[in-house]
Amino acid sequence: EAAVTQSPRSKVAVTGGKVTLSCHQTNNHDYMYWYRQDTGHGLRLIHYSYVADSTEKGDIPDGYKASRPSQENFSLILELASLSQTAVYFCASTRWGREQYFGPGTRLTVL
Amino acid sequence: GDSVTQTEGLVTLTKGLPVMLNCTYQTTYSPFLFWYVQHLNEAPKLLLKSSTDNKRTEHQGFYATLHKSSSSFHLQKSSVQLSDSALYFCALSEMGTGGNNKLTFGQGTVLSVIP
Repeated sequence: EAAVTQSPRSKVAVTGGKVTLSCHQTNNHDYMYWYRQDTGHGLRLIHYSYVADSTEKGDIPDGYKASRPSQENFSLILELASLSQTAVYFCASTRWGREQYFGPGTRLTVL
Repeated sequence: GDSVTQTEGLVTLTKGLPVMLNCTYQTTYSPFLFWYVQHLNEAPKLLLKSSTDNKRTEHQGFYATLHKSSSSFHLQKSSVQLSDSALYFCALSEMGTGGNNKLTFGQGTVLSVIP
């Protein structure tokens, strides 16, 4: 099965601080995605990428930046963390026309 | 834009009963539909997928049929088990010309199976 890992798995951040969430895949997939999930709700797309060194805005990009330095790695950056960004963040990867494989998630709490 | 609608937020059933979770979609492209299952504190995992009209697809006792005429992809199981308790997402991918390989998720349906 396709492998997607995320780090850290859990993080507590202070309001106004910088947070970086990392994602790594060993599937040789072109596409990578960052989602957030709020308790009991669906997944919302923040940013995605279909090639290294390029990122695209998803449906809720405000307050987030993304970086894809290589095919295997995709980071999500919160420059100024806010209380409203407390959520679980999932990374996913896929090839064109195939299902997405999700990482285990990062639980972010902003205080 | 694309959209996916799951009408039930919570479905509670007694073990052994059948279940159907509704999913309808809207898209201007050729649809590729997915059902993902997410158990508590875990990542979503693929349960079913289909892009073929009127063909039933099955996995782990669950089944669904994509009906392009009614834009639906309902998830069914004939006899639910306690281990089926989870959050179920229907998702749509654009596969036609101009499609961007993004998934649009429904809001999700919590299935709670009681003894």
